Amino acid sequence: GDSVTQMEGPVTLSEEAFLTINCTYTATGYPSLFWYVQYPGEGLQLLLKATKADDKGSNKGFEATYRKETTSFHLEKGSVQVSDSAVYFCALSDQNYGQNFVFGPGTRLSVLP
Amino acid sequence: DTGVSQNPRHKITKRGQNVTFRCDPISEHNRLYWYRQTLGQGPEFLTYFQNEAQLEKSRLLSDRFSAERPKGSFSTLEIQRTEQGDSAMYLCASSLALGGNSYNEQFFGPGTRLTVL
Repeated sequence: GDSVTQMEGPVTLSEEAFLTINCTYTATGYPSLFWYVQYPGEGLQLLLKATKADDKGSNKGFEATYRKETTSFHLEKGSVQVSDSAVYFCALSDQNYGQNFVFGPGTRLSVLP
Repeated sequence: DTGVSQNPRHKITKRGQNVTFRCDPISEHNRLYWYRQTLGQGPEFLTYFQNEAQLEKSRLLSDRFSAERPKGSFSTLEIQRTEQGDSAMYLCASSLALGGNSYNEQFFGPGTRLTVL
């Protein structure tokens, strides 16, 4: 079945550092790919998405490019802020599975001032 | 607030008791999903509804679990004879499915945290 693998955390960075969180996937169909963020005490929020190969999703300074050849969707941000501290989930939605999501295990990011 | 709401936010129960959670989706959304999230893991799909029809159930949804969406609006998830392994965060999400192969964004509620003692 479909699956998502993320780099293990926690990731600790200083403010203004460059962020990369790796995500790779396995899917039988042509999934859409997502990054969700969960801030402390809050529900999951969609951060960005890409629905086909070579699409780039971007939001709040975060970017991720749908790479079909490497089955990857790595999350990047050029300069993180303390307020970016959260858990980040990579996910896919496969039409073959009724559009329910398959999530990765999450990567906790802590940004220090 | 017009987001997805879930009640209760927290539930503590003793092993063997039954519990029921409620989810109110965004009002115009026709799809509703239930997920379970354990500590340190990503959410795992349990089941989803399109209007009042339950279209898919995960193998994670044992016979002790039942979900309903009787009028195609709110949904309930009931767990009978709870076990300690049921302790988790139960998430609800909703989306507006327009048909075809278009992607439908899912909006998540804050979750109900269940603790089984």
